[in-house]
Amino acid sequence: GENVEQHPSTLSVQEGDSAVIKCTYSDSASNYFPWYKQELGKRPQLIIDIRSNVGEKKDQRIAVTLNKTAKHFSLHITETQPEDSAVYFCAARPNTDKLIFGTGTRLQVFP
Amino acid sequence: GAVVSQHPSWVICKSGTSVKIECRSLDFQATTMFWYRQFPKQSLMLMATSNEGSKATYEQGVEKDKFLINHASLTLSTLTVTSAHPEDSSFYICSARPGTREEKLFFGSGTQLSVL
Repeated sequence: GENVEQHPSTLSVQEGDSAVIKCTYSDSASNYFPWYKQELGKRPQLIIDIRSNVGEKKDQRIAVTLNKTAKHFSLHITETQPEDSAVYFCAARPNTDKLIFGTGTRLQVFP
Repeated sequence: GAVVSQHPSWVICKSGTSVKIECRSLDFQATTMFWYRQFPKQSLMLMATSNEGSKATYEQGVEKDKFLINHASLTLSTLTVTSAHPEDSSFYICSARPGTREEKLFFGSGTQLSVL
């Protein structure tokens, strides 16, 4: 089955700096890759997603890149703000209904 | 966006009792819902896929007799933790997609279960 690895597990940056979180997946049939942000005790919120036929997608300060050959995708947050502090999860969808999540990255943005 | 409602948000129960958690899609119909479990500071682990009008599909290692799933309507799925034990204490969260062609998955607010 699909296996998603995520790095780093924790990431601390200064406000205004960029943050990059990387994920790799194992199932080449996976065709959909969302990123979720989860604040403590709350539900995961979808922040951006990308399909396998696209290499890059951007939404304001957030961007995601996908390398299908290498089977990895990354989340890029520019001009980070303290409110970006949360746990971020990547996920991959194999050729089924299921979403398989990565292990999560705890991002801390210091003022 | 699509709204998924989950109740209760937290529950404390005695060991050996059963607890039911409800997941509702408020503004769309969901033929499929998903139940995840999340331990503190860990990832979301898929427990089962709930299918309207048919049996749920459980992930490997998840006891179907312990975690009963019922998806009796297009807007409601329930998860019942039977004979709960302290090791069942966890954050349970449901999710749903608004349509079979929709890829985006929307989550309920989660239920924190504590078994004494």
